[in-house]
Amino acid sequence: QITLKESGPTLVKPTQTLTLTCTFSGFSLGTGGVGVGWIRQPPGKALEWLALIYWDDDKRYSPSLKSRLTITKDTSKNQVVLTLTDMDPVDTAIYYCAYAHWDSSPKWFDPWGQGTLVTVSS
Amino acid sequence: SYVLTQPPSVSVAPGKTARITCGGNNIGIKSVHWYQQKPGQAPVLVIFYDSDRPSGIPDRFSGSNSGNTATLTISRVEAGDEADYYCQVWDSTTSHVVFGGGTKLTVL
Repeated sequence: QITLKESGPTLVKPTQTLTLTCTFSGFSLGTGGVGVGWIRQPPGKALEWLALIYWDDDKRYSPSLKSRLTITKDTSKNQVVLTLTDMDPVDTAIYYCAYAHWDSSPKWFDPWGQGTLVTVSS
Repeated sequence: SYVLTQPPSVSVAPGKTARITCGGNNIGIKSVHWYQQKPGQAPVLVIFYDSDRPSGIPDRFSGSNSGNTATLTISRVEAGDEADYYCQVWDSTTSHVVFGGGTKLTVL
């Protein structure tokens, strides 16, 4: 059974850097065809894809946030870390990590973590 | 960048059929995946590869994809189907994941 859980600060100040950790079980990022993605959802708004990382360290980023995002993996700890620099109140959202399916190219996300709400405010 | 367009809302009476569309340029050549999100919960995959259902998803949920429109169809709608639904693709041209804007399904 695959499970994922997000952790990190619930409140960050404007201009700070957000660091979120996705801790997972039921799979290994050392195994081919495996990936983890990050998606966020501002309150009352739609899902927005942020980043993907795969077993071979292939990384993809949202074009609109690419300059601010970094995604890394720690295979030994079963963790994926997302950093988002220069936080702004518009970055207030629920941040989800999810298992990313691969079949010759990225496909769907399933399952998802429960999400963590991050509020940006001074 | 690739854009997926969904109607903001769809309403349907219990027992009837709901159809939620996802429009995109030549979306028929892409693989479309659909998620259901109930209030306060994380999204759940309901359809992948246009029309495949994950285990545990009722066969009332089906999908199709052709031309410029993909469609999620929910037959014999129940009150418990009331949720937001999102379509998603992988745009190989830009190497990006794209989500639709979501559709709120209301069961009358």
